[in-house]
Amino acid sequence: QQQVKQSPQSLIVQKGGISIINCAYENTAFDYFPWYQQFPGKGPALLIAIRPDVSEKKEGRFTISFNKSAKQFSLHIMDSQPGDSATYFCATRHFSGYSTLTFGKGTMLLVSP
Amino acid sequence: DADVTQTPRNRITKTGKRIMLECSQTKGHDRMYWYRQDPGLGLRLIYYSFDVKDINKGEISDGYSVSRQAQAKFSLSLESAIPNQTALYFCATSEKFTAYNEQFFGPGTRLTVL
Repeated sequence: QQQVKQSPQSLIVQKGGISIINCAYENTAFDYFPWYQQFPGKGPALLIAIRPDVSEKKEGRFTISFNKSAKQFSLHIMDSQPGDSATYFCATRHFSGYSTLTFGKGTMLLVSP
Repeated sequence: DADVTQTPRNRITKTGKRIMLECSQTKGHDRMYWYRQDPGLGLRLIYYSFDVKDINKGEISDGYSVSRQAQAKFSLSLESAIPNQTALYFCATSEKFTAYNEQFFGPGTRLTVL
């Protein structure tokens, strides 16, 4: 059972453009929505995260937009740079005490120079 | 020095062999996890441990077993490896009490089963 659907699977953006990656979830009991970034040959690392009580969180060029009613959240990368080329995973966490993460299938982003 | 280390980094083995992947951490975290990553399938949780005496199955535990030897060590075993266990395996850690459950990943082990 896929609890979080991520799209697109891959994305090519020109340098300076906006990269947008979307995730949709079904379980309203999720209470935490992080995005992880993975460079080739490395493990994923937390990029930015949001709780459902806010609609947007911005950290530098990275913004999460959260739509609770639509059960969707998205990552926006402004002024995309070649160094942003990586695989991005959205994830969700159930509010129960055993807080494991469920990851989306990932989006491979390539920012062309 | 890396906070989360995995050994080996690469391993090629044959069908039917027993394989152990090891993970060590110096972050002092109580919680440890094993994931596998396959192209197009993302990260899937195999097993997780919230302390030394607490081991739990994840989404895809069949064919795998784990051992939590100490707070800092968490090993993943494939008792009889099969080709569809060829994947990239990651260990991760997180603190016990945190609002954000940030997980810190190791560098991964690339396993090939022939």
